[in-house]
Amino acid sequence: AQSVTQLGSHVSVSEGALVLLRCNYSSSVPPYLFWYVQYPNQGLQLLLKYTTGATLVKGINGFEAEFKKSETSFHLTKPSAHMSDAAEYFCAVSATSGTYKYIFGTGTRLKVLA
Amino acid sequence: DSGVTQTPKHLITATGQRVTLRCSPRSGDLSVYWYQQSLDQGLQFLIHYYNGEERAKGNILERFSAQQFPDLHSELNLSSLELGDSALYFCASSQPGYGYTFGSGTRLTVV
Repeated sequence: AQSVTQLGSHVSVSEGALVLLRCNYSSSVPPYLFWYVQYPNQGLQLLLKYTTGATLVKGINGFEAEFKKSETSFHLTKPSAHMSDAAEYFCAVSATSGTYKYIFGTGTRLKVLA
Repeated sequence: DSGVTQTPKHLITATGQRVTLRCSPRSGDLSVYWYQQSLDQGLQFLIHYYNGEERAKGNILERFSAQQFPDLHSELNLSSLELGDSALYFCASSQPGYGYTFGSGTRLTVV
């Protein structure tokens, strides 16, 4: 069984500040991990994914995430927030075999302050 | 354009009615997943089809059903609609390990 916990349903940062969105997962098998972004009235767009290999994963729009097995975490970071980063972010976990269905976290709404 | 096409984009219907949501996956993707997104439940996995066969079921109500056709498009049928079924319904297609590609969703409003 798998689950995802996103700490903080709302996060506010100032423009230019570090963005840190937290995600912890639980999985009985080695996981695939994903971050998605959703802008208002749009679908979800893949930011980055961890499947195997390098634990520091770089994605689009300057985001990156680090897979830490010992901490069961996959936190999303961006060094400098931009106004256009305001959106909702979802962490997801899937098994590495079988149906590959994703279990999503409840989402974190990021607000960027001018 | 993500390559995953969902129609219609918006749907308003009355309680007790039946609707069909359609999804065309990205070219080459054999898997289609359906999700329901609501304010109180978040993103809930409904069902997964792979190359025409049902592979996994999630929190899908008995009033809901789905199928995937030989051309790989999928339909989600929602019947005896209730106010609580109002939500965004997303489909996604994928190849294993490559991450889902989501459609832009169908916003269903039941009145």
